[in-house]
Amino acid sequence: KQEVTQIPAALSVPEGENLVLNCSFTDSAIYNLQWFRQDPGKGLTSLLLIQSSQREQTSGRLNASLDKSSGRSTLYIAASQPGDSATYLCASAYSGAGSYQLTFGKGTKLSVIP
Amino acid sequence: DAGVTQSPTHLIKTRGQQVTLRCSPKSGHDTVSWYQQALGQGPQFIFQYYEEEERQRGNFPDRFSGHQFPNYSSELNVNALLLGDSALYLCASSFSSPIEAFFGQGTRLTVV
Repeated sequence: KQEVTQIPAALSVPEGENLVLNCSFTDSAIYNLQWFRQDPGKGLTSLLLIQSSQREQTSGRLNASLDKSSGRSTLYIAASQPGDSATYLCASAYSGAGSYQLTFGKGTKLSVIP
Repeated sequence: DAGVTQSPTHLIKTRGQQVTLRCSPKSGHDTVSWYQQALGQGPQFIFQYYEEEERQRGNFPDRFSGHQFPNYSSELNVNALLLGDSALYLCASSFSSPIEAFFGQGTRLTVV
């Protein structure tokens, strides 16, 4: 059974700082890994998707990396802004019974202080 | 493109009642998955529908059932509601192959 862990559970940083969020998974046989952002009480917004054959993906100030052999992914946020405050979730997609499902971590709650 | 839409956004039900939640997938997507997110937790997979059939199911009791219509929209039904069913219910749509999943804004269900 796939398990996904995110460390730290919460993080508070001053505006402008660069930061890294960590995600680890137990089963390396994944199709892809996806990072999401969730604002309080809202749905999930997809940030970055890394296919299993890729090592990293970039979008603006965000960079996500994937190391399947060690079962780890990181999300790097450059020059953080107060608007980045949210909970960040990682999810691995793996197969089962001919389809696939996402397994999520509990998330990292990020607060960027002005 | 309207993206994934869910209705209603909020719902309050009494223990023992039944509830139906609805989801319209992103245009072009044929696969719909449902997730339950308890407060402070990550989403948990309930089940996935493709071609109007339940293709995979997570560790949820039979009180949770679903349906997918020919236009790919989907419903989640929960019978005999328990207080512990209170959660944010999220719908995700995608293509049938395992690429990017897109989520709706969720339905907040409160059971009293």
